[in-house]
Amino acid sequence: QSVLTQPPSASGTPGQRVTISCSGSSSNIGSNTVNWYQQLPGTAPKLLIYRNNQRPSGVPDRFSGSKSGTSASLAISGLQSEDEADYYCAAWDDSLNGVVFGGGTRLTVL
Amino acid sequence: QVELQESGPGLVRPSETLSLTCTVSGGSISNYFWSWIRQPPGKGLEWIGYVYDSGSTKYNPSLKSRVTISIDTSKNQFSLNLRSVTAADTAVYYCARDSQIGMIGEGFDPWGQGARVTVST
Repeated sequence: QSVLTQPPSASGTPGQRVTISCSGSSSNIGSNTVNWYQQLPGTAPKLLIYRNNQRPSGVPDRFSGSKSGTSASLAISGLQSEDEADYYCAAWDDSLNGVVFGGGTRLTVL
Repeated sequence: QVELQESGPGLVRPSETLSLTCTVSGGSISNYFWSWIRQPPGKGLEWIGYVYDSGSTKYNPSLKSRVTISIDTSKNQFSLNLRSVTAADTAVYYCARDSQIGMIGEGFDPWGQGARVTVST
């Protein structure tokens, strides 16, 4: 059971906009920033969004993040086949005194 | 461009100690938080703990009694020791750096490619 809650799966067709949610609590998302990772099959995770809504250099602006209260969302617009991957949210947790992850969402591009 | 590379045995016997080293190249190990993260087969990510260049550490409470993370700044390396392993510790182990200098919780970037470790007789 992960500390942060994500839907196990999501799907969309090419060109569509998809959102993935991440729910937490006051000790993690409610008081710290949220980061998102993309993990393509067989590869290490890659930082996609940090500090709730910041993109590292090289990440397309099709990817965006937002946070409200104890929840966060990752939005992917103009969905492409290469976006098919697992997506994880993460945040620092003040109660556990460590980083906590969501269980991951597998995105399928139909 | 900073790159990380994990190294260590791919097979560990139950009840023994899992030891991995992460070598940092292309940049200094100083002034950043360095973490270990693992991913059991077919499952999600679990943060194991971090070490700072000063040697200060913090561990996941669920693993704290069995984990030691250390750093060798002279070699630009940091290491993971996980004691008394069981089959539940079978996973891909990643090393990673926090993305922002002097800060933790700002996202892991970059990551190593991962080291697959199996616990079995």
